[in-house]
Amino acid sequence: EDQVTQSPEALRLQEGESSSLNCSYTVSGLRGLFWYRQDPGKGPEFLFTLYSAGEEKEKERLKATLTKKESFLHITAPKPEDSATYLCAVRLNYGGSQGNLIFGKGTKLSVKP
Amino acid sequence: NAGVTQTPKFRVLKTGQSMTLLCAQDMNHEYMYWYRQDPGMGLRLIHYSVGEGTTAKGEVPDGYNVSRLKKQNFLLGLESAAPSQTSVYFCASSYHGQFTDTQYFGPGTRLTVL
Repeated sequence: EDQVTQSPEALRLQEGESSSLNCSYTVSGLRGLFWYRQDPGKGPEFLFTLYSAGEEKEKERLKATLTKKESFLHITAPKPEDSATYLCAVRLNYGGSQGNLIFGKGTKLSVKP
Repeated sequence: NAGVTQTPKFRVLKTGQSMTLLCAQDMNHEYMYWYRQDPGMGLRLIHYSVGEGTTAKGEVPDGYNVSRLKKQNFLLGLESAAPSQTSVYFCASSYHGQFTDTQYFGPGTRLTVL
């Protein structure tokens, strides 16, 4: 069964304290891995797409990396405004459900000043 | 350019009532999706559409119907609402090229069924 698991479920950091969020997946064929940010009461906001192992992408204090089994979202020197739930999703490259995403349950990040 | 919009933002229904959620996108995307998000469950796909006039079932389609009469609109219907359908509903859309398949989400509709 295709699965996406995110850890930890919740993470509390002090402002400036760098850390990483993990997204591990067990799928038969990966077409792409997506990271989203979701603020309370709002829809997911797209951050990154990664397509192949070894690929990295950066945006401000965030850096996403991909291996054959997992992805990491590294947060460098976080600020309180980085507090949100971060969602990971994978797109499969087989079957009739082209384009469909399987989401993890998310990591809720809180950054204290 | 509004992106993906959803109507209404909030709704309270009684068991057995019906309603339609409207999703509109102005990005000329071919693909559109309806998800529900429940605490501890993550986002789950209800139905999706790969183009005007097409619909297909996702992971949790029971109790819902959809229609895509116009490319820019995707409607989600509940014919007889049940308390188990209390959730936050998100619509998304995407364009599909080789490396341009990102799904963009709307702001959500919070539905409570009493």
